[in-house]
Amino acid sequence: DADVTQTPRNRITKTGKRIMLECSQTKGHDRMYWYRQDPGLGLRLIYYSFDVKDINKGEISDGYSVSRQAQAKFSLSLESAIPNQTALYFCATSDSTRDRVDIQYFGAGTRLSVL
Amino acid sequence: AQTVTQSQPEMSVQEAETVTLSCTYDTSESNYYLFWYKQPPSRQMILVIRQEAYKQQNATENRFSVNFQKAAKSFSLKISDSQLGDTAMYFCAFMKQYTGNQFYFGTGTSLTVIP
Repeated sequence: DADVTQTPRNRITKTGKRIMLECSQTKGHDRMYWYRQDPGLGLRLIYYSFDVKDINKGEISDGYSVSRQAQAKFSLSLESAIPNQTALYFCATSDSTRDRVDIQYFGAGTRLSVL
Repeated sequence: AQTVTQSQPEMSVQEAETVTLSCTYDTSESNYYLFWYKQPPSRQMILVIRQEAYKQQNATENRFSVNFQKAAKSFSLKISDSQLGDTAMYFCAFMKQYTGNQFYFGTGTSLTVIP
């Protein structure tokens, strides 16, 4: 089983619909992230959470919201989807131990298309 | 903000040959980490190699090695004995030390290994 699981894997929706992308992890990590990947732009950070009560905006948070329901779960919501939110979305986790490099571990991604 | 530049959008290499992917970054930080991630057609982001900026020795992982030039802010990836399974998008990433693991990604290089 994957350590970082994203659901759904693919989703097609219509403009104006509310969409939730879910992420769960079994790695026991405290930190979780949501990224968006667009062709030619690499990955850009949307939101990140250091623990259940600590949520922070990333580079491109407008139009998105998140919920950290538990240490292992971090959801991304699009309240009213628009076509330019069509992208590949990644969830990632990391461990906050400071004595070593905190590598980020990624899920398999959710491909979202907004028509 | 940190910036990461990958100036080669696409590259190709013959199977069993060696290829080098370029990455430059801009930062005023002295302590940081650099990474190369691989994204095959499966979409999964896979860590290839990492380098701590305070280490002068270049990191090596089997057929993958880096040429880290701190003064020039350059971090290239060399793949030796290229294999068909190396065909993927490769992303260079930068992370400041002790800042909550916020990654900054380059725009990626698409590598094709030709049989």
